[in-house]
Amino acid sequence: QKEVEQDPGPLSVPEGAIVSLNCTYSNSAFQYFMWYRQYSRKGPELLMYTYSSGNKEDGRFTAQVDKSSKYISLFIRDSQPSDSATYLCATTWIGGSQGNLIFGKGTKLSVKP
Amino acid sequence: EAQVTQNPRYLITVTGKKLTVTCSQNMNHEYMSWYRQDPGLGLRQIYYSMNVEVTDKGDVPEGYKVSRKEKRNFPLILESPSPNQTSLYFCASSLSLAAPVETQYFGPGTRLLVL
Repeated sequence: QKEVEQDPGPLSVPEGAIVSLNCTYSNSAFQYFMWYRQYSRKGPELLMYTYSSGNKEDGRFTAQVDKSSKYISLFIRDSQPSDSATYLCATTWIGGSQGNLIFGKGTKLSVKP
Repeated sequence: EAQVTQNPRYLITVTGKKLTVTCSQNMNHEYMSWYRQDPGLGLRQIYYSMNVEVTDKGDVPEGYKVSRKEKRNFPLILESPSPNQTSLYFCASSLSLAAPVETQYFGPGTRLLVL
């Protein structure tokens, strides 16, 4: 079993839709949970991160972690064509060390005008 | 502007011909690493460096070498490339291994095709 599972999509939605992106993980030792956005022909950029369980909101984006079910979610409200990208979830052990980052495979999102 | 640069951005080569992909950062970061990204496999770490002259293997180090002689540079060396090393490569840097993840920057990527 892979440590982080993520549906690769592709996911296509109309502009203004609410988007839900999800990952599951297997190791209960993971404590930091990140979402990266990767535009075509670019490197990943950190979008949001959370520590342990709960929600974190930043503008139109909400990151949610449910440690009981080992489930990570990213919600995008009022999606825009500029949100079209591949979204990668990632996790690591306590301490947030980048040396132990485990990435999901990424979900490709397309927001149609 | 804080950035990680990689060169070349695109490279086509043949099996066995040694190549080097350069990576440079202008943020005085201690920690640098190399990833490869493949369809269906995601991002996997190849090598990382915690500081000058300190390097260690990541998850998929076979067929690769690195060096860290200067803080800003972390070249990736393929001594004898093979077709299974065809991939998209990313260099990343951050303040330190233990620094928060939000200090990490990725380079723009190098797309390598080995024939």
